[in-house]
Amino acid sequence: GAVVSQHPSRVICKSGTSVKIECRSLDFQATTMFWYRQFPKQSLMLMATSNEGSKATYEQGVEKDKFLINHASLTLSTLTVTSAHPEDSSFYICSATSGHEAFFGQGTRLTVV
Amino acid sequence: GQQLNQSPQSMFIQEGEDVSMNCTSSSIFNTWLWYKQDPGEGPVLLIALYKAGELTSNGRLTAQFGITRKDSFLNISASIPSDVGIYFCAGNIYGNKLVFGAGTILRVKS
Repeated sequence: GAVVSQHPSRVICKSGTSVKIECRSLDFQATTMFWYRQFPKQSLMLMATSNEGSKATYEQGVEKDKFLINHASLTLSTLTVTSAHPEDSSFYICSATSGHEAFFGQGTRLTVV
Repeated sequence: GQQLNQSPQSMFIQEGEDVSMNCTSSSIFNTWLWYKQDPGEGPVLLIALYKAGELTSNGRLTAQFGITRKDSFLNISASIPSDVGIYFCAGNIYGNKLVFGAGTILRVKS
């Protein structure tokens, strides 16, 4: 299947700082990527749809000014968690679609201290 | 909005046993996907189903897309310890947006 690479896999940051997470499609182009958040032992919660060359579409309840998404090329989307707080600590996962199948990155474990 | 009801929530089985899990919805989906997620990793696609009634196998895994397009099941035959993980069903509605089930936690006893 197609390969999606996410970086970093783990990050620890101080409260008030910003963290950038990258999501790359390695062997295909993705006009659309998706960002999810996952709490322990729960399912994936869609945060936003990242659209190449245009603004991201955010799900209800997700603060667009807090979770900045940039999709500047057909192979790269970034999620920046701005002014991070401990409650932002979570597992963040991106996905990109090839055909009708979605492939996921390895996930990023964010811990805000 | 669309929701997928996935069951069971968890299973603790003996190695060698067969496993069955399913997802149902009140909405029709165009595509059903089954994923497995290991701890600290992203979900990995196991099987994709595109047509109502379609039955697809991938090694010891078998999945079917319900004829009404509102349900799907995943079977794992002769389970082994590495089958441990969380299994998610997902339905593709439009624009490649996925709706996920709550997941089935599978534990295998050797």
